[in-house]
Amino acid sequence: SQQGEEDPQALSIQEGENATMNCSYKTSINNLQWYRQNSGRGLVHLILIRSNEREKHSGRLRVTLDTSKKSSSLLITASRAADTASYFCATGPTGSARQLTFGSGTQLTVLP
Amino acid sequence: GAVVSQHPSRVICKSGTSVKIECRSLDFQATTMFWYRQFPKQSLMLMATSNEGSKATYEQGVEKDKFLINHASLTLSTLTVTSAHPEDSSFYICSAGGQPYGNSPLHFGNGTRLTVT
Repeated sequence: SQQGEEDPQALSIQEGENATMNCSYKTSINNLQWYRQNSGRGLVHLILIRSNEREKHSGRLRVTLDTSKKSSSLLITASRAADTASYFCATGPTGSARQLTFGSGTQLTVLP
Repeated sequence: GAVVSQHPSRVICKSGTSVKIECRSLDFQATTMFWYRQFPKQSLMLMATSNEGSKATYEQGVEKDKFLINHASLTLSTLTVTSAHPEDSSFYICSAGGQPYGNSPLHFGNGTRLTVT
């Protein structure tokens, strides 16, 4: 079963605008990760935020984590057409297991 | 950075045949690899955890006799879809991490598009 739900399911914006995607999860986590997937390809890791962190930045990416609400957001600033892809959040469980549970994903389309 | 190579990227086979998919960690040792399945426009569903030198751990609902996993070395795991049927057509993705535990990302292969005719 899916751990995470993401919204929106699809997002279409103009180049230069910011894109915000949200992810909610249900169980306790060790960390939360965001991945990007271009159509028909594997996943590329974007950023990892630990359960004791609230915000993290990487280039044009900003991730927040609210463990009390069991939610996270991914903000892509100054979007580019090349940012068009599916974005997935994935939760890493507490304990020693390393399986990730993926959210349902957000399809982002950045129009030139 | 760490690279995971998955082969083949695309395969078409006839019903009843078996297909083997390879997942290799190229510059690190992976004691654990994960196999996912993805339907069009959907998320990744974990099928099984492949452990080097021991039996794979399958998720509920995944037939272990249908999806054979072998992790014979620290750099190679294989998934064999046995007696494939059209409903097995899907995108299969493997992932691996260098460290067995901890806060580190997984590295993904580029996936295998399986089409069973």
